[in-house]
Amino acid sequence: GAGVSQSPSNKVTEKGKDVELRCDPISGHTALYWYRQSLGQGLEFLIYFQGNSAPDKSGLPSDRFSAERTGGSVSTLTIQRTQQEDSAVYLCASSFLDRGLGETQYFGPGTRLLVL
Amino acid sequence: AQSVAQPEDQVNVAEGNPLTVKCTYSVSGNPYLFWYVQYPNRGLQFLLKYITGDNLVKGSYGFEAEFNKSQTSFHLKKPSALVSDSALYFCAVTSTGANNLFFGTGTRLTVIP
Repeated sequence: GAGVSQSPSNKVTEKGKDVELRCDPISGHTALYWYRQSLGQGLEFLIYFQGNSAPDKSGLPSDRFSAERTGGSVSTLTIQRTQQEDSAVYLCASSFLDRGLGETQYFGPGTRLLVL
Repeated sequence: AQSVAQPEDQVNVAEGNPLTVKCTYSVSGNPYLFWYVQYPNRGLQFLLKYITGDNLVKGSYGFEAEFNKSQTSFHLKKPSALVSDSALYFCAVTSTGANNLFFGTGTRLTVIP
């Protein structure tokens, strides 16, 4: 079956602009995660969805970052007033159970964001 | 708090030789451990995981990992390396009460022909 898909694959924007990143999880997966991978860093957790609700937003680095999930499926990560330090690869993952504990997370190919 | 350490940024190994990529972890409860591999311009691919049971876990592409509770380690191993194994490898952990995976900073494996 189809894996996790993300769009766009690459995004170049100017500092101060807003961007939207999209994630299509594997069909039937109830849990959805956003991570950020900066150059030379590991993956940094941003936000977790259980269905359409986000019980854990603890990883969002600032109030410029927000995310939503509709219909228990597609999720959008929005970054407002982008800054150069937002440049990174944004990865989305999904898994079957409501909680990721012990359940494998499957990752999309990522969106590479470059803020000029 | 949960954390993962991958002490080696880079591992080089000759093709056909055994390889080991090291990982140690720290969790406040029972650990659930994962290895992922990332090829250039690709997302992370799941290799294997330890949840409970046998300490030796076998995964995709001939990889295996051994869970060692006393040493809090989960090293990734393969008996005979292939050039196509060259990639970036990430160890990750989660535990009771956590909603996400905690990742190490990754180890770049280069298999030399």
